[in-house]
Amino acid sequence: AQKVTQAQTEISVVEKEDVTLDCVYETRDTTYYLFWYKQPPSGELVFLIRRNSFDEQNEISGRYSWNFQKSTSSFNFTITASQVVDSAVYFCALSEAGYSGGGADGLTFGKGTHLIIQP
Amino acid sequence: DTGVSQNPRHKITKRGQNVTFRCDPISEHNRLYWYRQTLGQGPEFLTYFQNEAQLEKSRLLSDRFSAERPKGSFSTLEIQRTEQGDSAMYLCASSPRVVAEGTDTQYFGPGTRLTVL
Repeated sequence: AQKVTQAQTEISVVEKEDVTLDCVYETRDTTYYLFWYKQPPSGELVFLIRRNSFDEQNEISGRYSWNFQKSTSSFNFTITASQVVDSAVYFCALSEAGYSGGGADGLTFGKGTHLIIQP
Repeated sequence: DTGVSQNPRHKITKRGQNVTFRCDPISEHNRLYWYRQTLGQGPEFLTYFQNEAQLEKSRLLSDRFSAERPKGSFSTLEIQRTEQGDSAMYLCASSPRVVAEGTDTQYFGPGTRLTVL
């Protein structure tokens, strides 16, 4: 069975600091998909990134970057020069391709990391 | 392009009552998912539909829970004989047609917060 572990329950940093959110996953499938979602205080989950297991290239989007390492089963998320608006709960999630390869299984989420950016 | 919408946003009910939630997915998204999220936890998968067919159910979905998507558009989630343990945020997500890569991104609605007294 798949599992996602976000060991950091809460992180608090001062604005403009860099911060890394850790995500470790477990799966038996060779084809799987990893996601990060942001949940601000309003409650709605906002999609940030999707990565498939065959693409280990790291990705940068503005102040956000993601480091995918299959060797350590990790998919970490770094925010550079953090801002108060980055304060939220961040979830890492995993989806396996499913027996049919159709990727229809529901997402398995970690427990989330509550990120607090202090001004 | 409107996102996923859910109604009601909040529901307070007494133990033993039945409740029904509605989810309207992003138009032309053929897959629709239901999740439950309790305080301090990540969302937990309940069930999903491809068009009108319910293809998977989690063991979390007890026999008091039923979901439908009669015309492959909106979906309803009904909880019968509610219990205090059912208090949670119920999230709906939709995803577009599956492409060759095997899975698509799920886009979430704002959720329905259920409180069972």
